[in-house]
Amino acid sequence: RKEVEQDPGPFNVPEGATVAFNCTYSNSASQSFFWYRQDCRKEPKLLMSVYSSGNEDGRFTAQLNRASQYISLLIRDSKLSDSATYLCVVNVARGSTLGRLYFGRGTQLTVWP
Amino acid sequence: DGGITQSPKYLFRKEGQNVTLSCEQNLNHDAMYWYRQDPGQGLRLIYYSQIVNDFQKGDIAEGYSVSREKKESFPLTVTSAQKNPTAFYLCASSDRGLNSNQPQHFGDGTRLSIL
Repeated sequence: RKEVEQDPGPFNVPEGATVAFNCTYSNSASQSFFWYRQDCRKEPKLLMSVYSSGNEDGRFTAQLNRASQYISLLIRDSKLSDSATYLCVVNVARGSTLGRLYFGRGTQLTVWP
Repeated sequence: DGGITQSPKYLFRKEGQNVTLSCEQNLNHDAMYWYRQDPGQGLRLIYYSQIVNDFQKGDIAEGYSVSREKKESFPLTVTSAQKNPTAFYLCASSDRGLNSNQPQHFGDGTRLSIL
């Protein structure tokens, strides 16, 4: 089973729509969680970290459910510039060894006018 | 400006040739990483380094080699043993290494193709 699973999409939504992406992770030892954004043929860029209490950054809201091993990203009032691939990323610690990041394959979003 | 610089942006490899991808960071980060991304795939870890003169294999290290002689630099060599090198290569760095909650920051990547 993959460490991080995401619905690959694509999600095609009109401007102004609200869209939600989900991600599940398999390892309960996961310590920290992030959403990255990757534009076509570009490097991933950190969108936001995900905290246990949930957190919001403008139009973006991230939630974490440790019991269900589930992470979500909500985008409100979608803009054309939100079109990108969104990567779910999990830091997994393994006992005494150092943790490492695992990346989902990404969820593709296209916002149309 | 602080950041991670990868070069070249595009690279072509001939059969049997070794090529080296450069990664330099001026963020004073201890940890550096190399990933490979294939179309429609997630990032896969090739090698990582927590401190100077130390590095560890990731999930797909075969056919690759690295060095970490300076904190700022973590070059990746794609050897002739790597039979399918065509991919997008991403270098990243982070503060305090993998056992922290710090995210990784990426360079803008190198696209490697076979001639």
